[in-house]
Amino acid sequence: QTVVTQEPSLTVSPGGTVTLTCASSTGAVTSGFYPNWFQQKPGQAPRALIYSTSNKHSWTPARFSGSLLGGKGALTLSGVQPEDEAEYYCLLYYGGAWVFGGGTKLTVL
Amino acid sequence: QVQLVQSGAELKKPGASVKVSCKASGYTFTTYTIHWVRQAPGQRLEWMGWINAGNGNTKYSQNFQGRVTITRDTSASTAYMELSSLRSEDTAVYYCARGGVGVVSAPDYWGQGTLVTVSS
Repeated sequence: QTVVTQEPSLTVSPGGTVTLTCASSTGAVTSGFYPNWFQQKPGQAPRALIYSTSNKHSWTPARFSGSLLGGKGALTLSGVQPEDEAEYYCLLYYGGAWVFGGGTKLTVL
Repeated sequence: QVQLVQSGAELKKPGASVKVSCKASGYTFTTYTIHWVRQAPGQRLEWMGWINAGNGNTKYSQNFQGRVTITRDTSASTAYMELSSLRSEDTAVYYCARGGVGVVSAPDYWGQGTLVTVSS
């Protein structure tokens, strides 16, 4: 049973920078896992932010960026805004199937 | 504009089956895949499976193998997800999402979600 692990919760001040990570129970996350990141606010459908490690969708704000960091997928928010408070999920590709992480609850305080 | 519109909420008894639809518009349906994802109340997103809308090939999560069937009707630009042998733990919001981005067709546009409640 493959497990994808994220920080359960993080807190950041407005205007600050925060990095969320995404680890795989199978080992280091590489570009071959095509890490994706999604934002979800209460009562809403998820919204795609990042695909294939670092690519942004046309609607993704510039302050969001994706990378690989220390064997994990990473999502960095720079210049955090109050509206960035949400749950963030990563999604990893395992040769035909996909697995979501447990989500990170980001609080902007 | 790309839109995915899902069918309405369902109330089912344990042991029954449910079939949720996802009607796509604003793009060529057969050029992309459709993912199905669910979210139990207060829980994480869970990937269920996907279908290549062009050739009908499917892949399912091992967690649902044998209970989930994903199909599509190209003439109606609609994908379907059927889950059988329902139990209370299947109570969740079920989402479809277009798989359109990048080499491995990651989800980009999402439907509004369909609440399926399993209760006797």
